[in-house]
Amino acid sequence: GAGVSQSPSNKVTEKGKDVELRCDPISGHTALYWYRQSLGQGLEFLIYFQGNSAPDKSGLPSDRFSAERTGGSVSTLTIQRTQQEDSAVYLCASSRWTSGADTQYFGPGTRLTVL
Amino acid sequence: QKEVEQNSGPLSVPEGAIASLNCTYSDRGSQSFFWYRQYSGKSPELIMFIYSNGDKEDGRFTAQLNKASQYVSLLIRDSQPSDSATYLCAVNIGNQFYFGTGTSLTVIP
Repeated sequence: GAGVSQSPSNKVTEKGKDVELRCDPISGHTALYWYRQSLGQGLEFLIYFQGNSAPDKSGLPSDRFSAERTGGSVSTLTIQRTQQEDSAVYLCASSRWTSGADTQYFGPGTRLTVL
Repeated sequence: QKEVEQNSGPLSVPEGAIASLNCTYSDRGSQSFFWYRQYSGKSPELIMFIYSNGDKEDGRFTAQLNKASQYVSLLIRDSQPSDSATYLCAVNIGNQFYFGTGTSLTVIP
């Protein structure tokens, strides 16, 4: 596709429920990042995938958060037993490689609201 | 100490003026530096990146990097109302990108 796509664009859920957020990166991009952005805050790194390497999970805030990337393309971020503090915009970004001079392209984000 | 610090603003400039946005970073191992623009309710979009000391110009935008002082700035010449947005500074260290909280810019017609 032309850009990074994410679904759903909005998700409202009840506290304690599980949610899955999807990211479809730009074709050919081997690196994929998940971030979250709370109101008025910067981007908080969550997890990073590069090719077939083990993901960098150092940013995941708790064991309720997990992510996978199938076939080196589509990624799913799962939040189990959601809490109200999980409410944020979840952004996915992809880049062609891990060189620092390369850049990330962001998807439109998923706005998660936990009631 | 946060990896990347920005003045949250808001910064207001009149149309046609130069807007100056600043960012400092803490890790001297930072490799590359990025400026993103984020309109309200939208995702960040890249404006420029820079990885060598000095200035880099692209149209009305100039990025300035000073690794000795650990700061990077973005100048917007001939500011337009459409430049009104939040500007995010990001630095790359290894596999990770660290973002500042952003500076809100308003260009007054």
